[in-house]
Amino acid sequence: AQSVTQLGSHVSVSEGALVLLRCNYSSSVPPYLFWYVQYPNQGLQLLLKYTSAATLVKGINGFEAEFKKSETSFHLTKPSAHMSDAAEYFCAVSGSSNTGKLIFGQGTTLQVKP
Amino acid sequence: GAGVSQSPSNKVTEKGKDVELRCDPISGHTALYWYRQRLGQGLEFLIYFQGNSAPDKSGLPSDRFSAERTGESVSTLTIQRTQQEDSAVYLCASSLAGGRTHEQFFGPGTRLTVL
Repeated sequence: AQSVTQLGSHVSVSEGALVLLRCNYSSSVPPYLFWYVQYPNQGLQLLLKYTSAATLVKGINGFEAEFKKSETSFHLTKPSAHMSDAAEYFCAVSGSSNTGKLIFGQGTTLQVKP
Repeated sequence: GAGVSQSPSNKVTEKGKDVELRCDPISGHTALYWYRQRLGQGLEFLIYFQGNSAPDKSGLPSDRFSAERTGESVSTLTIQRTQQEDSAVYLCASSLAGGRTHEQFFGPGTRLTVL
């Protein structure tokens, strides 16, 4: 079975500050891990994914995430926040190689203050 | 079309009524997923279609929920005798093929409100 926990339902940072969104997972099989972003009134957009290759994954808009098996974590970071980064972020795991169905965390709303 | 489309974008219904939600996947995508997003929560998997294979219905919460897909085209999610706890955003996603190596592309969702 798979599950995802996102620590912190709301994160607030100042523009230009580091963004750190936390995600821990549980999976009975080697996981594929994903970060999605959801802007208001829009569908989810894939930011980045880990597929058992390099543990440091770079995505769009300057985001990156590091897979740490020993900590069962896949935290999302960005060195410098922009106002346009304000959105809801979801971490997801896929343990099913057959269907690819995703198990999502509860989401973290990122607020960026000027 | 450019992306996954869903209709209607908003649906308000009365408790006990049936509703039908529609998803048009990206042309050529053989895999299609339905998810539900309740207020303040993450997405919950509902059902998965892949070509002509039997769907994975393991996420459907009750027998009031059903979904169909004709071939590799449109899918409809039907909720019978709606309850207030069915209020949520229903999201559809499609991917080139099934399996976790293929990116899922999400539609904008249908917001369902059951009064």
